[in-house]
Amino acid sequence: EAGVAQSPRYKIIEKRQSVAFWCNPISGHATLYWYQQILGQGPKLLIQFQNNGVVDDSQLPKDRFSAERLKGVDSTLKIQPAKLEDSAVYLCASRRWGSGYEQYFGPGTRLTVT
Amino acid sequence: QQQVKQSPQSLIVQKGGISIINCAYENTAFDYFPWYQQFPGKGPALLIAIRPDVSEKKEGRFTISFNKSAKQFSLHIMDSQPGDSATYFCAASKGVTGGGNKLTFGTGTQLKVEL
Repeated sequence: EAGVAQSPRYKIIEKRQSVAFWCNPISGHATLYWYQQILGQGPKLLIQFQNNGVVDDSQLPKDRFSAERLKGVDSTLKIQPAKLEDSAVYLCASRRWGSGYEQYFGPGTRLTVT
Repeated sequence: QQQVKQSPQSLIVQKGGISIINCAYENTAFDYFPWYQQFPGKGPALLIAIRPDVSEKKEGRFTISFNKSAKQFSLHIMDSQPGDSATYFCAASKGVTGGGNKLTFGTGTQLKVEL
């Protein structure tokens, strides 16, 4: 079974520019998560999707961050405009509905904002 | 508000020794406590997990000890090996309305196992 795929793996942008990240979850996984992991910290949940609906986006900075999962499969996370403090690794995870609580993480996208 | 506190921040252990990482939580609604292992450039991977109705769970060299009354849990790595050198995160989870679960992570422990 293929794992969670993310692209790009690395991105360097200047502040005030926009950036988008892509995630393809494990086939059949209805639940998809986006996390932000700042260097030296644990991942922090940004948004959770169940199929194509948002379950929890309470920690998503909605003035600059947006995410969508239009067809209930892959997802994109966008930042516009980026700030220096957005420099982090953005992790995508997925979970099979009804299979317990295990989340499977992708390799992440390392974003550097200069 | 940091709901899951993890210590130590870093740990150096000799090969064959025991590595111990501790976590404490605040929210009694948490009902699932996983430990994740993360290597540089990789996403976290589930190592072992426990539910609060069990005081201990062992899988190979990895053991979780859980103290519900103290709201604490710990990871013990027996016979630590250089290949165990990684960052370890504890987490706590509760279900959310609409399905799925919400993981709250600790700050991580960087483990180095020396020869």
